[in-house]
Amino acid sequence: GDSVTQMEGPVTLSEEAFLTINCTYTATGYPSLFWYVQYPGEGLQLLLKATKADDKGSNKGFEATYRKETTSFHLEKGSVQVSDSAVYFCALSGTGTASKLTFGTGTRLQVTL
Amino acid sequence: SQTIHQWPATLVQPVGSPLSLECTVEGTSNPNLYWYRQAAGRGLQLLFYSVGIGQISSEVPQNLSASRPQDRQFILSSKKLLLSDSGFYLCAWAPGLRSGYTFGSGTRLTVV
Repeated sequence: GDSVTQMEGPVTLSEEAFLTINCTYTATGYPSLFWYVQYPGEGLQLLLKATKADDKGSNKGFEATYRKETTSFHLEKGSVQVSDSAVYFCALSGTGTASKLTFGTGTRLQVTL
Repeated sequence: SQTIHQWPATLVQPVGSPLSLECTVEGTSNPNLYWYRQAAGRGLQLLFYSVGIGQISSEVPQNLSASRPQDRQFILSSKKLLLSDSGFYLCAWAPGLRSGYTFGSGTRLTVV
């Protein structure tokens, strides 16, 4: 079945550092890929998405490129802020009619001054 | 615009008591609806999903059930709560295939 693997956290960075959170997936066909962010005590918010190979999703300075050859969708940001501290989830949507999302286990990011 | 409402925000219930969590979506019709659970410090587990009124699919056999009595209403229930039912419950909707979800704000359930 479909699966998503994320790098283990927590990731601790200083403000203005470069961020990479790795995400790889296993799926049949051509899934859509997503990054969600969860701030403490809140639900998940869609951060960005990509629906086909070589697409780049971007939002709020974050970006990720759909790499079919490496089955990856790594999240990057050039300069993180304290307000970026949250848990980040990589997810894929397979080709079934119910559009179920399969999530990774999440990566906690802590940004310090 | 579409919005999703989920309530209550927090709930403390004794073991063996019943549960009813409600989720409604506004501004759309015939959405796909989902219930997820997030245990402390862990990822998200899909519990139920629905592609239409009265259509419920269960992903994990457990102490919970779901119903969809109206197009934009999704209810999560239990007749008798267990300690292991504690967690953060999230409702979500999707407008169509491969479009991603919009999540509600979640219900934090503590079973004592």
